[in-house]
Formats: sequence, structure tokens, C-alpha cells
Amino acid sequence: EDQVTQSPEALRLQEGESSSLNCSYTVSGLRGLFWYRQDPGKGPEFLFTLYSAGEEKEKERLKATLTKKESFLHITAPKPEDSATYLCAVLRRRDYQLIWGAGTKLIIKP
Amino acid sequence: DAGVIQSPRHEVTEMGQEVTLRCKPISGHDYLFWYRQTMMRGLELLIYFNNNVPIDDSGMPEDRFSAKMPNASFSTLKIQPSEPRDSAVYFCASSLTGAVEKLFFGSGTQLSVL
Repeated sequence: EDQVTQSPEALRLQEGESSSLNCSYTVSGLRGLFWYRQDPGKGPEFLFTLYSAGEEKEKERLKATLTKKESFLHITAPKPEDSATYLCAVLRRRDYQLIWGAGTKLIIKP
Repeated sequence: DAGVIQSPRHEVTEMGQEVTLRCKPISGHDYLFWYRQTMMRGLELLIYFNNNVPIDDSGMPEDRFSAKMPNASFSTLKIQPSEPRDSAVYFCASSLTGAVEKLFFGSGTQLSVL
């Protein structure tokens, strides 16, 4: 069964403390992997697209990387405004369906 | 652009009542998606449209749920009759052909069925 698993479920960091979020997947025929950010009371907001193993994308303090089995979202020197739930999704090739992970809730304390 | 607009933001209703959720996609986007989000099940795709035509409704939980897209700028999701287990946040999202994975979400409708 195609599946996307994110870990940890929640992560509390001090401001400036770098860390990584994980997204592992088992999908038959991966078309791409995507990261979204969701703030409380809002819909998810697109961050990155990764298409092939070895690819990396960066945006401000965030960097996303992709291997054949997982993706990491690295956050460097985070600030309180980076607090949000980060969602990972994979696009299945055969039917072009997005399969979503449950998300990691990131809390950055000042 | 105002983004994807959903209404109402909050809906509280009693079991058995009809509920209609509304969505206005981003102008020019030809894909529209309805999602449901709960703590237990996360984000679930209910149905999606391409050029106003329903393409896949396999995620619609049962016949109590129906969705329409009468034109490119408006869609509705209706639940009749509603049940407490339908309580969730319902999101509408739109995207462009060639970038269907880059979804633009609305702010959602928080539905509570008592």
C-alpha cells in the first residue's frame, strides 16, 4: 500500500536550534515529492517540489532534500515565525494522485 | 489575486441538516479539489474537477456527499443529511494544468455537526 510517514509528530526547538524533519514514503512510481506549510486556521501553503533523488531546494532557512526512500526538511537557525505544521506529499505516477503525510508540528520557542 | 475563497469559515449545524460549502478558485486555474482534514485521518481528497468536469470522486465518503462545479469560478460541496462524524475542516484548492501538485488552498470551512 502506498504510504507517506512523517516524523516526528511534533518537534519543539529553541530559536536558533537547527534540526530536520523526515518524510519517508513507499509509493509505486513516484512522480514527485512536495512540502507544504500549514499555519493554524489556514490551508496548506506550497513550499517545494522535488523530482529526483539527490535534488535539493532552498528557501530562506529551509532546505529540502530527496533520496529514493525519504525526504528531509532541514531548518537552520529557526525563528518563532517558522512555527507551523509541515506536510509532505508524494505524487503517484499511475494516477497522478497526491498522497499526504500526517505532518510534523514544529514549535520554535523564543 | 485574492486567492481561493471559501465560505462560510465556520458552520455549526445539527445532525440531519443539509450543509453547503462554497468555493471560488483562483481565476485561470483549471483544477479544483475538495479535501477534508481531521486529526485522525489527516488530509483526504474527496473529489476533484478539471475544467468544471468531475474527474475522480472516489474519495467521497458516501452518497450523502455531493459536489458540483457549474462554472469555472464556483464550486459547492453539499452534505445531506449531515452526521456528527462529518465534523472536520473542509478545504478547497485549485491549481493549473502542468502544475497540478502545486495546490493553492483556501482557508477552509470548519464544520461542526452536533
